[in-house]
This record gives sequence, structure tokens and C-alpha cells, in this order.
Amino acid sequence: DAMVIQNPRYQVTQFGKPVTLSCSQTLNHNVMYWYQQKSSQAPKLLFHYYDKDFNNEADTPDNFQSRRPNTSFCFLDIRSPGLGDAAMYLCATSQTAETQYFGPGTRLLVL
Amino acid sequence: EDQVTQSPEALRLQEGESSSLNCSYTVSGLRGLFWYRQDPGKGPEFLFTLYSAGEEKEKERLKATLTKKESFLHITAPKPEDSATYLCAVHTGTASKLTFGTGTRLQVTL
Repeated sequence: DAMVIQNPRYQVTQFGKPVTLSCSQTLNHNVMYWYQQKSSQAPKLLFHYYDKDFNNEADTPDNFQSRRPNTSFCFLDIRSPGLGDAAMYLCATSQTAETQYFGPGTRLLVL
Repeated sequence: EDQVTQSPEALRLQEGESSSLNCSYTVSGLRGLFWYRQDPGKGPEFLFTLYSAGEEKEKERLKATLTKKESFLHITAPKPEDSATYLCAVHTGTASKLTFGTGTRLQVTL
């Protein structure tokens, strides 16, 4: 089945230790998104790639970066995680501006 | 600025007790309204897309409707497995981004 896959599902890191979350898709969609979702809150868009074009949200901290080496893969890098970065990170894909399909998420815990 | 408000924040129903969830929006140029279901610890699961006022979509016990100011998700004879958070989101403008509401947490008990 075509899908959005996120690895790992759970990630524990230490304060200030860089961490990378990964997302892959078999839908061949041209847009990939990264969201941050904290408990009982709406998903918050961090950035998205429209093909190879990177689009950063104005309020996304510099601590968060992303890479998209090819159509199928997208990575979220957190350079120096703080306690406030503990959250669920969601990857989604869409074909242009159509429906977004989400992966299962990665739960990040910062100790 | 686009705004999406969902109500109620939480809803507890008995099995078989039908109800509706509300999503009101203030946007400039709606291009689509989306409903998602999210189970605890999981990513949102796509349910429906609505594009214009008067449109309706159905899936099993769920029916989504759209007016110029709000959308309703009607749940008919719910079962415990319908328990989840239901998220509403709008797509506006030319960008690919969605604006989400904070969701309605639905609990259906026996």
C-alpha cells in the first residue's frame, strides 16, 4: 500500500544533542511537510518542500532544519534540542495543493 | 489571518447517541476544508475534503457538510471505536499549507 513512513516512532535524546527524524513516502507526491504537535494542540507547520523548493514558516526556530535529498525522503534535523522541543513530529505529503496524507508521527522526548 | 475554531473541545456520547461537531472558519478565499481523525499517539487520518457550500460527504457513520461559514461533522449512532480527536483544517490562497483547528476530543462509551 502507498503510504507515508516515519522513523523512528519514538526518539529519546539529551538536551542539546542533535537529532534527525526521517520520513519517506511511496505516494510520489511532490510536496512534503513537517509539523510539530504538542499535547492537545493543533499541528503547527514548521516548513514544507514543494519539489526541491524549501519553504520555511516565519516563526520556525533556526534550531530546526530540513533536507529533501530526493522525491521520496525528507529529514527533520533539530540542531540543539531543548526541553520545549519535546513533541510529536508529523510528516505529511500531498500532490501540489491537494489533500495532505500524514505519517504515524515520531514522538520526541528530550531529557 | 485565517482562523479555524472547533467546538466543543470535548464531547462524551453514549453508544448510539448521535451528535454533531462544529468547525467555524474565517478565511479569505476557501479552497478546501478537510476533516481528519487522530487517535492518541498517531498521525491524523484523512476523512473528507469539502470544496464548496452545500457539499456533503459520507463515510460509514460520518457525514460532513459545509456552509459559507462553518462545517459540521455529523456522527450517527456512534460506536466506541469512533472515539478519537477530530481535526478540521482549511486550505486557502495559493500556498500548500493548511490551517488547523485544535480539534474535538470525542469519547463514545457503552
